[in-house]
Amino acid sequence: GAGVSQSPRYKVAKRGQDVALRCDPISGHVSLFWYQQALGQGPEFLTYFQNEAQLDKSGLPSDRFFAERPEGSVSTLKIQRTQQEDSAVYLCASSLARLWEAQYFGPGTRLLVL
Amino acid sequence: TQLLEQSPQFLSIQEGENLTVYCNSSSVFSSLQWYRQEPGEGPVLLVTVVTGGEVKKLKRLTFQFGDARKDSSLHITAAQPGDTGLYLCAGVSNFGNEKLTFGTGTRLTIIP
Repeated sequence: GAGVSQSPRYKVAKRGQDVALRCDPISGHVSLFWYQQALGQGPEFLTYFQNEAQLDKSGLPSDRFFAERPEGSVSTLKIQRTQQEDSAVYLCASSLARLWEAQYFGPGTRLLVL
Repeated sequence: TQLLEQSPQFLSIQEGENLTVYCNSSSVFSSLQWYRQEPGEGPVLLVTVVTGGEVKKLKRLTFQFGDARKDSSLHITAAQPGDTGLYLCAGVSNFGNEKLTFGTGTRLTIIP
């Protein structure tokens, strides 16, 4: 595809459930980012990959959050034992090389934890 | 934690009017980006400014990076309904940690 795609677009989970969110970056993009965006707020950095290496995970809010990109393309953000405060839009972005270069965002996955 | 405060938080104006959105921080950034986000979509990059004092124009949008690289502004001339959206500034740290730090956002509504 031409852009970054994310699936599912919407996810409703019961508190305590595990969820997995998928990101397909633009083909050939080395860098991949995950952000969390609360309603009406700007995105907040969660984690960053360069190819398959997770170079920065300082934004992950707790050890319930885990991200991987095993083959340097598709990435999965997993949230274990979801809590209501995890409800947010999770955005994935990719860029060709450096961190600060133009990041291309996917449409996001809207997660609602009941 | 570096904070980027945007003002105003909400802005609703009539079509044809001019407006300015501000992005302020106490921290220095090596570069600053502006994004627009529409409901149900991810942010889309509008511009990157790198040099202190730099001014960039994108049709009716004018972006300025402050001389000290701590602040930026976005000015829209003759606003149109298609300008409606959430405007986000995002700064790149000047201290080797090159993550993007997003601002608090300005939700702009242009009334036809």
